[in-house]
Order: sequence, then C-alpha cells, then structure tokens
Amino acid sequence: DIVLTQTPLSSPVTLGQPASISCYASQSPVHSDGNTYLSWLQQRPGHPPRLLIYKVSERFSGVPDRFSGTGAGTQFTLKISKVEVEDVGTYYCMQAARFPRLTFGGGTKLEIE
Amino acid sequence: QLQLQESGPGLMKPSETLSLTCIVSVGSIKNSDYYWGWVRQSPGKGLEWLATIFWIGSTFYNPSLQNRVVISVDTSNNRFSLKLTSVTAADSGTYYCAASGNPYHYGSASFDYWGQGTLVSVSS
Repeated sequence: DIVLTQTPLSSPVTLGQPASISCYASQSPVHSDGNTYLSWLQQRPGHPPRLLIYKVSERFSGVPDRFSGTGAGTQFTLKISKVEVEDVGTYYCMQAARFPRLTFGGGTKLEIE
Repeated sequence: QLQLQESGPGLMKPSETLSLTCIVSVGSIKNSDYYWGWVRQSPGKGLEWLATIFWIGSTFYNPSLQNRVVISVDTSNNRFSLKLTSVTAADSGTYYCAASGNPYHYGSASFDYWGQGTLVSVSS
C-alpha cells in the first residue's frame, strides 16, 4: 500500500499570508489509466471532510481559487495564497492509485497565529 | 449535489456487530458516476477508509479490516450499509459515508460528497 506522509504536522500561519502543506508518497500514486489520483481534503473543527483538490491540481466545484495543488511523482503540495479565518482546520492528502482502494495522509493542522 | 445521511446505534458493547446505514436523499445510488464508501475517524485521529461499493454490487475492502467488515447496497431504498463484527473500543469514532467520483467516468477518484457522520462508542 502507498503510504502518505504529511508535513508539517501543525502549521501556524498569519491571516492574509500564504500557507503550504506537503504530502510525500512512498511510491508514485499513478493509476493504470495514467492519471495521478492525489487529492486534498479540508476538515474544519466539528465538520465532515470536504474535497478541495483532486487529480493533483483540479479544484472541486465551489472551492475558492486561493487553494491550489501542485506536484508530481511522489511529492505534492497544497497552497493557500492568502489564509482566511475559515481556513482553520486539518488538511488531508489522499491517494487512489488502486481506486477504489485508497489511503489518507496523517493530516496537517492549520492554525492562526 | 448529492446528499448523504448516516444512521447508527450510538453506544455499543464489545463483541457486538456494528450496523450502519447511509441514505442517499438527493440523487440516485444507481448513478454510475459514483462509488459509495465508508470512512471512519477515531477520536482526535485521522481518516481511515473502510470499504466501498458500486451500485451493481462490486465491493472493495481495507485489507486491515477485510475479515470483519461487509458493505452492501439496497437500490430499492437508495441506501447502502456497513456491518463491522466483533467491535472493540478501538472501533469507537465517527463513521462517515461518502460518494467517490468514478474515475472511469472522468470523476475525481476522491470523496466528493460526505454525510455529517455518526458517532459510535464501544464500551462495556
């Protein structure tokens, strides 16, 4: 199974400043169809997770454009261009190279300084 | 936009069988654009995928739980279910049902839509 490791575990950020979260895969999460099914989800306190980014860089419907995803191979990054109060929560990467079997990263907690 | 809602027993005793149901209240469970899955979250911990099913009955399980878990679909009532046998305190947590975009239909291969979650506590 592909193991996803996220860094940092916790990220204090300043409102209005950018933030970046990394996700490292033990092997490339490339599916047999050639697509890289690496996604990012946000979980605000007390809420279910919410899909932000799929297939590395595709923004899901309704997601603000301050969220972006990049990466290839085994290294992936979620970036928030200007952090807002509502962005506080835990962020998870997820891979589905053997969809529908999938694994999650351990999560990164985003906190406001 | 799909809407999903879980239901479960709340409090359980060790060794019992956990039964959860997810009703798809908006949208059809026979929509081939989606697979249907269960994810759990232990208190203060991360997310763990448990099982996924396609509406025709194809099932997929997390190997770490494969001998304890069964997922099923009820197309007549637009719902799917999960059973987890021989529960222990380690099975306590919030259980979510979710819809995965079908990558074979150009979907996300992620979890597009989630229920609100149902809390399960296992205690003697």
